[in-house]
Amino acid sequence: EVQLLESGGGLVQPGKSLRLSCVASGFTFNNFAMSWVRQAPGKGLEWVSGISGSDDTIYYADSVKGRFTISRDNSKNMLYLQMNSLRAEDTAVYYCARDRFPYCTSGNCYFDYWGQGTLVTVSS
Amino acid sequence: EILMTQSPATLSVSPGERATLSCRASQSVSSNLAWYQQKPGQAPRLLISGASTRATGIPARFSGSGLGTEFTLTISSLQSEDFAIYYCQQYNNWPFTFGPGTKVDIK
Repeated sequence: EVQLLESGGGLVQPGKSLRLSCVASGFTFNNFAMSWVRQAPGKGLEWVSGISGSDDTIYYADSVKGRFTISRDNSKNMLYLQMNSLRAEDTAVYYCARDRFPYCTSGNCYFDYWGQGTLVTVSS
Repeated sequence: EILMTQSPATLSVSPGERATLSCRASQSVSSNLAWYQQKPGQAPRLLISGASTRATGIPARFSGSGLGTEFTLTISSLQSEDFAIYYCQQYNNWPFTFGPGTKVDIK
C-alpha cells in the first residue's frame, strides 16, 4: 500500500525558516517524481515544487522560487521542502504528492497519491 | 501561465441525479487534464487523467471528456460519498495549474 506521511509543519514567524519532510512507503521511491502542493485555508490547490525520481531535475512555482528548496533522499525514501524567508501568504496545508511518472514534464505530471498534509502557519 | 476556470462554483444535486462539472483552460492543454476529488479534512484523490481515463479504483459513474480548452466531469448518479469539491488540473504547460474547484453539495 502506497503511503505518504508529512511532518514538520507548525507556527513560524514571518522571515523565519521551516523544513517539511515526507516519508514514503509501499513503492519504489526513486521510480517516481514527487511534488509539494499547498492549499491555503479555505482555498484551492497550488503546485509548489517538484523533483524527478533520480533527483536530477527540479521545478519551482514562481511564488516560491529563491525561497524554497526541494530535495529527496532516495536511500531513506524521504522528500523534503526547506522553506526560508516565510511570508504570511505561505500559510497553508502542504501536501506531499507522488507523480505518476519519473519526471514531471509536459504531459506527464499528475498526482496519483497524496499524503494527509501538514499545516504551516506564518504569523507573528 | 494557463488560467483554469471551473463552473459552476457550487452545484446542488439530489442523490441519484446526474452532475455535470465544467473546466476551461485559457489556452489549449490538449488532453493533459486531470480531475481530483477532495472531501473536508482529506487530501485530494485522483479521479481522471488524460481528460478521460479513470484512475485505479474509481467507479464507472465518474467519466471525463473534452480536449483543448473545454472539459467536463460527469457523475452519472450521485452517491452520498460523492458530495465534495472537485478540482481540475492542467499538466500541459508549466506551471501546472489547478482550477478553483466546484463544490457539489446536497440539494
